[in-house]
Amino acid sequence: SAVISQKPSRDICQRGTSLTIQCQVDSQVTMMFWYRQQPGQSLTLIATANQGSEATYESGFVIDKFPISRPNLTFSTLTVSNMSPEDSSIYLCSVPPGTGSHYTFGSGTRLTVV
Amino acid sequence: QQQVKQSPQSLIVQKGGISIINCAYENTAFDYFPWYQQFPGKGPALLIAIRPDVSEKKEGRFTISFNKSAKQFSLHIMDSQPGDSATYFCAASMGGAGGGNKLTFGTGTQLKVEL
Repeated sequence: SAVISQKPSRDICQRGTSLTIQCQVDSQVTMMFWYRQQPGQSLTLIATANQGSEATYESGFVIDKFPISRPNLTFSTLTVSNMSPEDSSIYLCSVPPGTGSHYTFGSGTRLTVV
Repeated sequence: QQQVKQSPQSLIVQKGGISIINCAYENTAFDYFPWYQQFPGKGPALLIAIRPDVSEKKEGRFTISFNKSAKQFSLHIMDSQPGDSATYFCAASMGGAGGGNKLTFGTGTQLKVEL
């Protein structure tokens, strides 16, 4: 299965600022997924990022708030823009399985907005 | 709409006991059902997964039971250990394990195994 390096692992940010989260995969993948996990909650899909096209956002998430870049098949970034305390969550990237493997997740970015 | 319902929300089990977590789904197009284990500060890690063509899959102390007609599946942890204390998520997707479709997660179960 793919190995994902995600950073930063945690950050404390001031409201109104933006944070960019990076995920690097050790193999080429067509799709990458970005999830949000609010405190004590399950994982909610934010968007699907395909290389060479705009990300597809789930209901309730918009590009202006969560812009995503996907410059190549091994890298993606998620930016949380104009942050408010309600954005305090763990953000995770994930890649789908290749043959014989399974969905893999990054270790997550724990964001606290103050 | 919550497409995968998980219960219980929290569970306390004595060491050596059996932990059972249940999930129910609505979308009959789902054909891949993984369970993830998450420790604090870590991303979810795959524990075990099943496809609907089998009714049970066992890996070590972990067993998935699958009931296609009832649209339910469950995770059984035999001989539960304190190291199993974590949050467990069931999930479902379409297109099989290699389909690349998004996972829909259950709400999670916080398991605590006491000595």
